[in-house]
Amino acid sequence: QKEVEQDPGPLSVPEGAIVSLNCTYSNSAFQYFMWYRQYSRKGPELLMYTYSSGNKEDGRFTAQVDKSSKYISLFIRDSQPSDSATYLCAMSPFSGGYNKLIFGAGTRLAVHP
Amino acid sequence: EAGVTQSPTHLIKTRGQQVTLRCSPISGHTSVYWYQQALGLGLQFLLWYDEGEERNRGNFPPRFSGRQFPNYSSELNVNALELEDSALYLCASSPDRNGNTIYFGEGSWLTVV
Repeated sequence: QKEVEQDPGPLSVPEGAIVSLNCTYSNSAFQYFMWYRQYSRKGPELLMYTYSSGNKEDGRFTAQVDKSSKYISLFIRDSQPSDSATYLCAMSPFSGGYNKLIFGAGTRLAVHP
Repeated sequence: EAGVTQSPTHLIKTRGQQVTLRCSPISGHTSVYWYQQALGLGLQFLLWYDEGEERNRGNFPPRFSGRQFPNYSSELNVNALELEDSALYLCASSPDRNGNTIYFGEGSWLTVV
């Protein structure tokens, strides 16, 4: 079993829809949770960064962490065609632990006009 | 401000050959990370360099190696290439080892035939 599980999709939604992207994990030591967006043939860019449990909102994006269920989510409101990309979750047991980051395989999202 | 730059962008090598990939971090960043993104496998941590020293390596064989230069740029070397080394190799940098964000380059696409 992988440490981080993420449905690869593809997920196809109409413009304006609310998108829910999810990851589950098995290592209870993970404390820091991140979401990256990766456009085709580009490097990943950091979207959201959260610590421990709870919600964090940034514009149209909301990240949720439920440590009791070992489940994290990224919600995208009012989705746009420009949101079409692969979304990667990542997690680490400690701050700045990029050498310990474990990534999900990524979910491909397509937002059609 | 220039982002993380990597070269070459694409390359094709024959099984058994050796390859060197190069990375220039964002100005002022001292930590460099190398990740491998193979199709369907997500990002796998390869190597971490900070202040010229190798700080950690992922679960990869010794034929994957690298170094960091005094100007903080870095090289990733892969010897005795195998077909399964075909992947996108991503370099990332952060201002220090305790940073909360890392910034990825566009990557180097390696195809081994």
